Amino acid sequence: DGGITQSPKYLFRKEGQNVTLSCEQNLNHDAMYWYRQDPGQGLRLIYYSQIVNDFQKGDIAEGYSVSREKKESFPLTVTSAQKNPTAFYLCATRLAGERKQFFGPGTRLTVL
Amino acid sequence: EDKVVQSPLSLVVHEGDTVTLNCSYEVTNFRSLLWYKQEKKAPTFLFMLTSSGIEKKSGRLSSILDKKELFSILNITATQTGDSAIYLCAVMDTGTASKLTFGTGTRLQVTL
Repeated sequence: DGGITQSPKYLFRKEGQNVTLSCEQNLNHDAMYWYRQDPGQGLRLIYYSQIVNDFQKGDIAEGYSVSREKKESFPLTVTSAQKNPTAFYLCATRLAGERKQFFGPGTRLTVL
Repeated sequence: EDKVVQSPLSLVVHEGDTVTLNCSYEVTNFRSLLWYKQEKKAPTFLFMLTSSGIEKKSGRLSSILDKKELFSILNITATQTGDSAIYLCAVMDTGTASKLTFGTGTRLQVTL
């Protein structure tokens, strides 16, 4: 079954803890992106990666980190430095040469 | 900084009505404008517009771009309850990463 998977769907975290959100794809897409969505706001870009072992900061990278060791995987770590981490996190992918981004189902993170 | 503004923020209509959603933008180096529909989780792609004046159509949905006035509209005719969703507009610049800047979205509710 092809597509983009994000896990877990729901995640609860205590303040001060780091947490890692998973994004896996079997579409053989080259570029991967992480967005954050808050109520009443659009999607905001956190980090993106165009090729393996390379990634760049987006507009709101502070308090987040990523890695891209495999083409299929682009995990996002929300660190304790992120001041307001409760949000809906979306991963997206794009095939090189194409413009459309395809989105995964998202992970809803709640910090207690 | 690229900017996308969508209006209205929310809209409630009766089934069968026609709606027009608006998206205006400011982009330093415009490449494309994309519309997505977000029902519960993953945004799904609707249209990509690059050239002015060419209408994209898919069933009851259509969209057009005006590059001179820097806006796009998304029309939905004969609305159905299944059209209830958040409609997201995004613009892409000419950079190689094909980054998207999203608007806040328009929340459409179609009632019986």
